[in-house]
Amino acid sequence: GAVVSQHPSWVICKSGTSVKIECRSLDFQATTMFWYRQFPKQSLMLMATSNEGSKATYEQGVEKDKFLINHASLTLSTLTVTSAHPEDSSFYICSARLGGNTGELFFGEGSRLTVL
Amino acid sequence: QKEVEQDPGPLSVPEGAIVSLNCTYSNSAFQYFMWYRQYSRKGPELLMYTYSSGNKEDGRFTAQVDKSSKYISLFIRDSQPSDSATYLCAMRTNAGKSTFGDGTTLTVKP
Repeated sequence: GAVVSQHPSWVICKSGTSVKIECRSLDFQATTMFWYRQFPKQSLMLMATSNEGSKATYEQGVEKDKFLINHASLTLSTLTVTSAHPEDSSFYICSARLGGNTGELFFGEGSRLTVL
Repeated sequence: QKEVEQDPGPLSVPEGAIVSLNCTYSNSAFQYFMWYRQYSRKGPELLMYTYSSGNKEDGRFTAQVDKSSKYISLFIRDSQPSDSATYLCAMRTNAGKSTFGDGTTLTVKP
């Protein structure tokens, strides 16, 4: 299957700092990428849909100023958690869609954020 | 009521057993059905991708979709300890937005 790379896989930061997570589609171009948050033993919670060259679409309840998403190229989307606080500690996962609306969805390895 | 319902388990089976994982859904617009496997602290891995009703087989895995009953299944034959993971079902409409089940945690004991 297609490969989606996510970096870093693990990050620890101090409260009040910002953290950037990268999501890359390595062997295909992805006009649409998705960002999820996952709490322990829970399913994926869609945070936002990232579209190349345009603003991201955020799900209800997700603060767009808190979670900045940039999709500057067809192979890279970034999620920046700004002014992180301990409650932002979570597992963040990106996915990229191969093809159009009916394309398969491939996931990155996830990034575990711990805010001290 | 959730659009997609999935029994969280946990499910524990002996090695070699046949495993049946299931999801039900309420949105008749779902056309594409997926099963993902997620190991602890890793991203989900796509196992099966099917369109509309019917069966699809890939090695030890068989995905089954019954749109009339709004019910999908994943069967794992000759289960192995390495199959121990959380299995997520997912569904998508033609508009492209995916909805995930909560996942079923499976343990295959040697």
